[in-house]
Amino acid sequence: DSGVTQTPKHLITATGQRVTLRCSPRSGDLSVYWYQQSLDQGLQFLIQYYNGEERAKGNILERFSAQQFPDLHSELNLSSLELGDSALYFCASSVGAYSPLHFGNGTRLTVT
Amino acid sequence: TQLLEQSPQFLSIQEGENLTVYCNSSSVFSSLQWYRQEPGEGPVLLVTVVTGGEVKKLKRLTFQFGDARKDSSLHITAAQPGDTGLYLCAGAIEGGANNLFFGTGTRLTVIP
Repeated sequence: DSGVTQTPKHLITATGQRVTLRCSPRSGDLSVYWYQQSLDQGLQFLIQYYNGEERAKGNILERFSAQQFPDLHSELNLSSLELGDSALYFCASSVGAYSPLHFGNGTRLTVT
Repeated sequence: TQLLEQSPQFLSIQEGENLTVYCNSSSVFSSLQWYRQEPGEGPVLLVTVVTGGEVKKLKRLTFQFGDARKDSSLHITAAQPGDTGLYLCAGAIEGGANNLFFGTGTRLTVIP
């Protein structure tokens, strides 16, 4: 158990809809990262937050947004969903900006 | 853009055999990490290497970071069925935040 909690585990929704994925980091970890894993693209970095502030941005679409709250949990919002957004979305946390990552077990999003 | 290429993509071997997985890039990384991911779970960190030429051993697993810090290898001796999984290398860009770039992955199956 990595200590990182992601909810929900599975999500099935229709194209055009909006969903929110939630992540609770390990106790004491200030950094939260979001990754997308699909069969053809591998694990792609989306965005990183450190203590509530956005720290780095990767290949995150404009339809996606994220935030980290004062209690350090994070949410990833995906809107105007398309079939191609179907993937596993992982959250990871670390103590600091250059520390090893601890991953949650992911949210499997299926867009139909 | 895929910065890290792993080979082979798939590997199926008999229990007791040795194997090597390669992770190559044209980019220089400040550090490189290896993760193992099992179905339904997030990647789990195995090791971090930071110095060019560094070799780290973890029981039957040997990790090497290339002298120029552009490539890495993972060697498994006497593979066991419990080694089955997706092996991912991930590099941190020199001077960047801890947003890791993940390799394409090697899916290993060890047959009893």
